[in-house]
Amino acid sequence: GAVVSQHPSWVICKSGTSVKIECRSLDFQATTMFWYRQFPKQSLMLMATSNEGSKATYEQGVEKDKFLINHASLTLSTLTVTSAHPEDSSFYICSAMGLAGVDQETQYFGPGTRLLVL
Amino acid sequence: GNSVTQMEGPVTLSEEAFLTINCTYTATGYPSLFWYVQYPGEGLQLLLKATKADDKGSNKGFEATYRKETTSFHLEKGSVQVSDSAVYFCALRKYGGSEKLVFGKGTKLTVNP
Repeated sequence: GAVVSQHPSWVICKSGTSVKIECRSLDFQATTMFWYRQFPKQSLMLMATSNEGSKATYEQGVEKDKFLINHASLTLSTLTVTSAHPEDSSFYICSAMGLAGVDQETQYFGPGTRLLVL
Repeated sequence: GNSVTQMEGPVTLSEEAFLTINCTYTATGYPSLFWYVQYPGEGLQLLLKATKADDKGSNKGFEATYRKETTSFHLEKGSVQVSDSAVYFCALRKYGGSEKLVFGKGTKLTVNP
């Protein structure tokens, strides 16, 4: 149980295009989802927290207009990187927390999406 | 503010060696403490956790004890395997506050046969 998937697992795009990454909780309802960014050989940097049906809360220094987050349902959150540039290339990881059927203290992580912007 | 400090790696061990990865934290109140593991090219998996002082989390032969007096949550395993090669992250979640996790920088472990 408590499986979180991400799609795509990797994506290559041209500079200036937008890329959408999906995060799904497959067997539980995710009341809260988190989006992280991980640079090579570094820790995870929290980008934003989203609750179903409400606006995401962004961490300081994260551009809201560049990283659009939508948590439209209890099983799906999306991160859209708008007008991507090479410096946006990174490993993006989502996580989810739920209330029923899972440990309420634990964030369950997706496998990550590797983005390369050319 | 809340923070987590992990021993810097990388750590290289031979199979069946004893492993310790140190983790200390700074937090107000009584945070929950976690160890996550990240295998190459993958996301993070919860390895173990402890939610109050003196709790011991354990999983897959790994153990960590929540020591409030030393604000530590060191990860240990008596006999590592090649398959344990991964990056290990210590993290805390503030009690009664935000659900956000605060991560350490990670420690890369390589186990050689």
